[in-house]
Amino acid sequence: AQTVTQSQPEMSVQEAETVTLSCTYDTSESDYYLFWYKQPPSRQMILVIRQEAYKQQNATENRFSVNFQKAAKSFSLKISDSQLGDAAMYFCAYRIQGAQKLVFGQGTRLTINP
Amino acid sequence: GAVVSQHPSRVICKSGTSVKIECRSLDFQATTMFWYRQFPKQSLMLMATSNEGSKATYEQGVEKDKFLINHASLTLSTLTVTSAHPEDSSFYICSARGTGLTNQPQHFGDGTRLSIL
Repeated sequence: AQTVTQSQPEMSVQEAETVTLSCTYDTSESDYYLFWYKQPPSRQMILVIRQEAYKQQNATENRFSVNFQKAAKSFSLKISDSQLGDAAMYFCAYRIQGAQKLVFGQGTRLTINP
Repeated sequence: GAVVSQHPSRVICKSGTSVKIECRSLDFQATTMFWYRQFPKQSLMLMATSNEGSKATYEQGVEKDKFLINHASLTLSTLTVTSAHPEDSSFYICSARGTGLTNQPQHFGDGTRLSIL
């Protein structure tokens, strides 16, 4: 079975600094997608960034980037120049290509200190 | 971007009441919609996958007679919690995937907080 593990229940960072959230996954598949979702206090799930497993280049979206290590089955999220609005729960998620279901990690609560 | 509307955002009702939650894709057609349940400080738990025009696929341990799902059109799915009891109180979130390319992500609604008294 596929599993997604986020080993950091909580993280905090000073405003304007950089923080990295960890995510590892377990799968025997070769084609899949990885996602990071943000859930602020409003509770809406917002897609932050996604990565196709067949792509070697790490995805980047403005201040958000990933470090995708396929062999190590690792998919960490780096947030640069942290802002107060980045405070939220962050969920790592995985989906096999062609499948419907997303498998979520346990989440990491990120606090931004002013 | 893709917008998913979920209604109502908050429901408070008495035990034994049935509650219907709607999930609509506003600017795209959603072949597949998903219903999740989230307990406080926990991750999302998939309850069922709903495909337009066919029966929903329920995850293990989810009572299909308790949580009725209907996906009658490409833009609307509903979840009905039948004869709700306090243990059904939770945050329910829907998501939708568009038709077309298989790499499309899920887009989430704002969620519904259900409180059963």
